[in-house]
Amino acid sequence: KAGVTQTPRYLIKTRGQQVTLSCSPISGHRSVSWYQQTPGQGLQFLFEYFSETQRNKGNFPGRFSGRQFSNSRSEMNVSTLELGDSALYLCASRLDRGDYTDTQYFGPGTRLTVL
Amino acid sequence: DQQVKQNSPSLSVQEGRISILNCDYTNSMFDYFLWYKKYPAEGPTFLISISSIKDKNEDGRFTVFLNKSAKHLSLHIVPSQPGDSAVYFCAATKTSYDKVIFGPGTSLSVIP
Repeated sequence: KAGVTQTPRYLIKTRGQQVTLSCSPISGHRSVSWYQQTPGQGLQFLFEYFSETQRNKGNFPGRFSGRQFSNSRSEMNVSTLELGDSALYLCASRLDRGDYTDTQYFGPGTRLTVL
Repeated sequence: DQQVKQNSPSLSVQEGRISILNCDYTNSMFDYFLWYKKYPAEGPTFLISISSIKDKNEDGRFTVFLNKSAKHLSLHIVPSQPGDSAVYFCAATKTSYDKVIFGPGTSLSVIP
């Protein structure tokens, strides 16, 4: 079974630009979460989608948005990029069969560098 | 406000000895706790979890202990192996599909 895939793996943008990152969950998984990882901050929760609806949201500004499609694939968008947005963006999927203990499976991440 | 804390950014242990990674949390509503391991250039992978109704959970070389009154959990790795060298993240959540909150991570180095 294929794991969680994220594209692109690396991205370089300049301040003020916008970026879209993509995540394909494991087949059959219905929930997709996004995290931002920066040194010393661990994984900061961005948002979670389930059945094309945002179910949970972290404490990030409105420049960060996301969506989920009917096939459970998800995208996240960051507009008006700032230097501080440079980070590893991780996507995680889980089966979500009514048991909150379902394990999250992470993709390898997209490394975003903002110059 | 960091709800999950891992106060040791790094830890070095000799191969064969015990590794103890610590985690503290502030939100008493958390009732499910997880540990993830992350190698460079890879996403985190699930290691072990524990529900708040237990105080210990064991899986092979890995044991997680939970002290609810102290809002503290720890991960014990016995014996430690060089392949265990990675960043370990502690995470916590509440039931009903609330968000999973991660700590900042502890980098473990197991020295051969």
